[in-house]
Amino acid sequence: EPEVTQTPSHQVTQMGQEVILRCVPISNHLYFYWYRQILGQKVEFLVSFYNNEISEKSEIFDDQFSVERPDGSNFTLKIRSTKLEDSAMYFCASSADSGYGYTFGSGTRLTVV
Amino acid sequence: RKEVEQDPGPFNVPEGATVAFNCTYSNSASQSFFWYRQDCRKEPKLLMSVYSSGNEDGRFTAQLNRASQYISLLIRDSKLSDSATYLCVPRRYGGSQGNLIFGKGTKLSVKP
Repeated sequence: EPEVTQTPSHQVTQMGQEVILRCVPISNHLYFYWYRQILGQKVEFLVSFYNNEISEKSEIFDDQFSVERPDGSNFTLKIRSTKLEDSAMYFCASSADSGYGYTFGSGTRLTVV
Repeated sequence: RKEVEQDPGPFNVPEGATVAFNCTYSNSASQSFFWYRQDCRKEPKLLMSVYSSGNEDGRFTAQLNRASQYISLLIRDSKLSDSATYLCVPRRYGGSQGNLIFGKGTKLSVKP
């Protein structure tokens, strides 16, 4: 079964440092997403991406966040200057069509110290 | 009002039991609906889409009532492996394609 792949599985970073979280969506999918989940909380939407541009973003996705699809396979989330409250599990997802459910990757656990 | 409301549980049931989860959503413009399951510290996994006519997939049956903005999931003959958090997920339409809206879900624990 096709998978969404995320790397690394766990990243520890110091407050103020930049991090890049990487994702390889399913190859024939056209819509890409980032979500995050703080421990014990619900899954929260960050951003959606289609046709090489952001389609929608939440209030969480401020100027510290950016996304990029640098080539035909990778989809990245960059946090420029991490804060303690950015510690969470970050999930990448993709879908073939805007009406379908999403397939999620196994996530990157980001710990900011 | 929260976009998605579910009884948080936990629902503790014995193996073989039938269990039902209910969900209400607030955005009447939501067009697509899904049930996901999430194991502890894992990613959400799509369990099934929910169609207006209701649909069944093995031991799982989903129902949608658009007039009441209500979605349900029935699990028959529950297994130990069904233990997870079940998330009712409407798709909100906004921007150019919308996105899935998650609540906290309902925790199910199936005991031997």
